[in-house]
Amino acid sequence: GESVGLHLPTLSVQEGDNSIINCAYSNSASDYFIWYKQESGKGPQFIIDIRSNMDKRQGQRVTVLLNKTVKHLSLQIAATQPGDSAVYFCAEMGPKETSGSRLTFGEGTQLTVNP
Amino acid sequence: EAGVTQSPTHLIKTRGQQATLRCSPISGHTSVYWYQQALGLGLQFLLWYDEGEERNRGNFPPRFSGRQFPNYSSELNVNALELEDSALYLCASSFYRGRQPQHFGDGTRLSIL
Repeated sequence: GESVGLHLPTLSVQEGDNSIINCAYSNSASDYFIWYKQESGKGPQFIIDIRSNMDKRQGQRVTVLLNKTVKHLSLQIAATQPGDSAVYFCAEMGPKETSGSRLTFGEGTQLTVNP
Repeated sequence: EAGVTQSPTHLIKTRGQQATLRCSPISGHTSVYWYQQALGLGLQFLLWYDEGEERNRGNFPPRFSGRQFPNYSSELNVNALELEDSALYLCASSFYRGRQPQHFGDGTRLSIL
């Protein structure tokens, strides 16, 4: 079945450094991917998305890279700030014919930013 | 613009009871999704509604059900509650056209005693 997993459960960085959070996905037919940030006591917050016809997409201080050859997704956060401390999830959407619009989530990575 | 709103914030029930959770989507969104976030299990897809119809269902027993109203709001009903149903239930909404991001509410924390 479909599954999305994260390589590292925790990541600790210094304020001002760049952070890279990785994600492996198993369904090669997935065509849409989203990164979410979840702070304690809150629901997941949309960060950035990417479609399978793209390799890279940039937002404000964030970049998502998609490598379909090895089924790998990464989220880069530039100049990490204490407010970036949270759990980060990647999510994939499989083909419409079989998955509709359901998202399959990875396990999450806890990012801690040290001042 | 208001985000996805869920009620109640917390709900305490006992085994065997029934629970009803409510969700109001972002204005203009027609699709509503329900996910369960249990401790140690991550987020798991429960149900997807669009235009009042159930479009897709996750691997959950039939005692998990729901509906979507004409104003696109939604209810999740859980019957015959079990201890393992204790979790954060998250609702998300999106436009139903192509691949669109789902935006989440802050959830209902359901505790089964």
